[in-house]
Amino acid sequence: DAGVTQSPTHLIKTRGQHVTLRCSPISGHKSVSWYQQVLGQGPQFIFQYYEKEERGRGNFPDRFSARQFPNYSSELNVNALLLGDSALYLCASSLFSIAITDTQYFGPGTRLTVL
Amino acid sequence: DAKTTQPPSMDCAEGRAANLPCNHSTISGNEYVYWYRQIHSQGPQYIIHGLKNNETNEMASLIITEDRKSSTLILPHATLRDTAVYYCIVRVGNNFNKFYFGSGTKLNVKP
Repeated sequence: DAGVTQSPTHLIKTRGQHVTLRCSPISGHKSVSWYQQVLGQGPQFIFQYYEKEERGRGNFPDRFSARQFPNYSSELNVNALLLGDSALYLCASSLFSIAITDTQYFGPGTRLTVL
Repeated sequence: DAKTTQPPSMDCAEGRAANLPCNHSTISGNEYVYWYRQIHSQGPQYIIHGLKNNETNEMASLIITEDRKSSTLILPHATLRDTAVYYCIVRVGNNFNKFYFGSGTKLNVKP
């Protein structure tokens, strides 16, 4: 079975540009979460989507947005890129949104470099 | 939201058991403890989770104290491939799937 897939693997952008990152969850999973991991730190929660609705948001500016499509894949958009947005962006999928024992499975991530 | 405290790094000899501690003294009664690991900035890999009973799977064992304020992840026979950053996480309920990762423990398995 295919795991969580993310594209692209690597991306280089310049300040002020925007970027779109994509994620396909494990088949049958309806929830997708996005995390940002800056070098040397643990992943930080950005968004969670379940059944195409935003169910949670972390402490990130409005430049960050996301959406989930009818096939449960998801896009993360970041506008007006800053140098500090350089990070590994991780997508995680899970079956349910509200189950306390719902386990998240992570993709390999997209490495974004902002110059 | 319960937070976790882990030592920044630990060493373990290859073939020996690795015991990774985690403190989560503010955990609530219905919050689960999850463990993930991350190798060379790949995506975090799920290891195990538990509520209050000890748990074991093919990768590891999880020991949770009776008061649930701390837990220990045990890798019974560490190999060089187990070198990674290990994260202890308390899952926040409240209708969404937010994980607070913290800084984790860098486990160095040495030959």
